[in-house]
This record gives sequence, C-alpha cells and structure tokens, in this order.
Amino acid sequence: EPEVTQTPSHQVTQMGQEVILRCVPISNHLYFYWYRQILGQKVEFLVSFYNNEISEKSEIFDDQFSVERPDGSNFTLKIRSTKLEDSAMYFCASRTVYEQYFGPGTRLTVT
Amino acid sequence: GDSVTQMEGPVTLSEEAFLTINCTYTATGYPSLFWYVQYPGEGLQLLLKATKADDKGSNKGFEATYRKETTSFHLEKGSVQVSDSAVYFCALSDQDNDMRFGAGTRLTVKP
Repeated sequence: EPEVTQTPSHQVTQMGQEVILRCVPISNHLYFYWYRQILGQKVEFLVSFYNNEISEKSEIFDDQFSVERPDGSNFTLKIRSTKLEDSAMYFCASRTVYEQYFGPGTRLTVT
Repeated sequence: GDSVTQMEGPVTLSEEAFLTINCTYTATGYPSLFWYVQYPGEGLQLLLKATKADDKGSNKGFEATYRKETTSFHLEKGSVQVSDSAVYFCALSDQDNDMRFGAGTRLTVKP
C-alpha cells in the first residue's frame, strides 16, 4: 500500500541553524500538508500546498518557515533559523478527496 | 473557525472495560470527521472516519457515529485491550481539507 515517507526520523540541530525536513507524498496526491506536534500537546496545522503554491498557512508558519516541492516527488519544510521552541514532531501529509495520509514524522530537537 | 473539542484525559481502564471518548466539533460547513490513534513513539494512524451525517465509522472494534444534531463524533469500544493503550485524536476536515485536531486523549488499559 502506498505511504507517505519522511526523512530523517530524528534531526538534532543547534539553535540558529537551518534545517530541512523532507517528505515524499503518495505519488498521485495533489495536496500536501505539514503539521507540528510539540511533545505532549495537540497536533497543529502549519501549512497546506497545492499546485506549487501555499494554499493556507497558520499563524505558526511565519517568515522562518518555507515549503517547496523541488522535483515533483519531494515536499520539504525549511526552518531558516531554528529556535528552541521549534523542537517538536513534524508530520507531513498528502490527501485524496476526504482522507489525509500522514507520514511517520520527523522528531526535531533544537539544542 | 472550525474546531474540535475532545474529552480531556488521561483515561485509565481495566482490560475488557467499555470505552467512550467524547468529541464535539464546531464547523460552518459539513466537515468530514476522523479519529486518529498515536501509539507510543509512532506517528498518526487513521482509526476510522465518517464523511456525512449519520455515517458510522468502525475499525478494530472501535466505532463512532457522525451526529449532526449534537455536533458530536464520540469514540466507543465495547471491550478494550492492553494493546489499545495510545493517544486518540479526534479531527475534522473542512471543505479546504485542512485538518483540525482535538487535544488528544491518552488511554491506558491495565491488565
């Protein structure tokens, strides 16, 4: 069964560094998402992406964040200058008509 | 905006007990409703879904019925097992298909 994949599974970075989280959505899906889950808290929507542009973003998704679909298969989330509070699990998702399929997540630890 | 409110946890039950986790939603349109499960150290897995009023989603002994009149989507299971211990998230997806999650309810089932 097709699935969403994410790499790396765990990323450790120092405060102020740039990180890129990678996702490979399911191949025939057209809508892509990033979500964040701070440890022990709820899953929060960050951004949705369709037709090579952002369709919606939350207040969390500020100028430090960007997304890209560089090559037709990967979907990336970049954080330009990480802060301690960016430490979280980041989930990528892609969707069919009704259902979003989630990847296993990347745990980002900012030290 | 659209939102989901679910029963706060944690919930602790003995094996074979009956489970109910309450979920209510607020939406301007006609959302699809979901329950996701997150096992320790893992990502989000879709447990069940319902796309219109009076639909019942079911999977692995869990059930939830989309109740438009009470704007609810309560999760139930007649006899829980230790392996059901996890965090359960209620979620809705509106016409823009951005997923909004509840805060999550941690379930612990003791032998």
